[in-house]
Amino acid sequence: DIQMTQSPSSLSASVGDRVTITCRASQGISNSLAWYQQKPGKAPKLLLYAASRLESGVPSRFSGSGSGTDYTLTISSLQPEDFATYYCQQYYSTSWTFGQGTKVEIK
Amino acid sequence: EVQLVQSGAEVKKPGESLKISCKGSGYSFTSYWIGWVRQMPGKGLEWMGIIYPGDSDTRYSPSFQGQVTISADKSISTAYLQWSSLKASDTAMYYCARLKPDGDDAFDIWGQGTMVTVSS
Repeated sequence: DIQMTQSPSSLSASVGDRVTITCRASQGISNSLAWYQQKPGKAPKLLLYAASRLESGVPSRFSGSGSGTDYTLTISSLQPEDFATYYCQQYYSTSWTFGQGTKVEIK
Repeated sequence: EVQLVQSGAEVKKPGESLKISCKGSGYSFTSYWIGWVRQMPGKGLEWMGIIYPGDSDTRYSPSFQGQVTISADKSISTAYLQWSSLKASDTAMYYCARLKPDGDDAFDIWGQGTMVTVSS
């Protein structure tokens, strides 16, 4: 299986901050990467796919970039509703895997 | 409205069998893959497998192959996840989710989750 490692595991930030989360794959995944947001007690929500394509209805403050093995999710100006856990998922291989998650907390 | 609605929470004993469901509506159920994702308490997401309801083509994660069975009944737009003999370690939230149709294997629509508790 391709291992997905997110960093940091958690972070504290203030409203208005720029936040960056990194996802590293154990081998190249050719932009076959999605990002999800999960709030407590709720199902995950798709934010981006193909590394940088914004899912319909997702605010433009979310963006994704990267290539090869290294990818980032950026929130340009953190809003109160963005405090949540974020997961990356690779779908390059036939056995899809998620990162362990990054919890974004209020500073 | 496109949605997936899952069956309710279950409490079972070790060794018992269980089948949970995921009903799709608002779209052509037979034209989209449906996947299952496990989330153990306080932990991350794990992909279990997917099924194409149109022809019941099914793929499993190696970690879950032989541990669960995924099926679908296209006549009632419902996918299933079942266990023949539950273990305490199967205690988790289980989500069904629809795969995007355009070649990107990301899950765009999610069910609300079914909590399965296995305890003696």
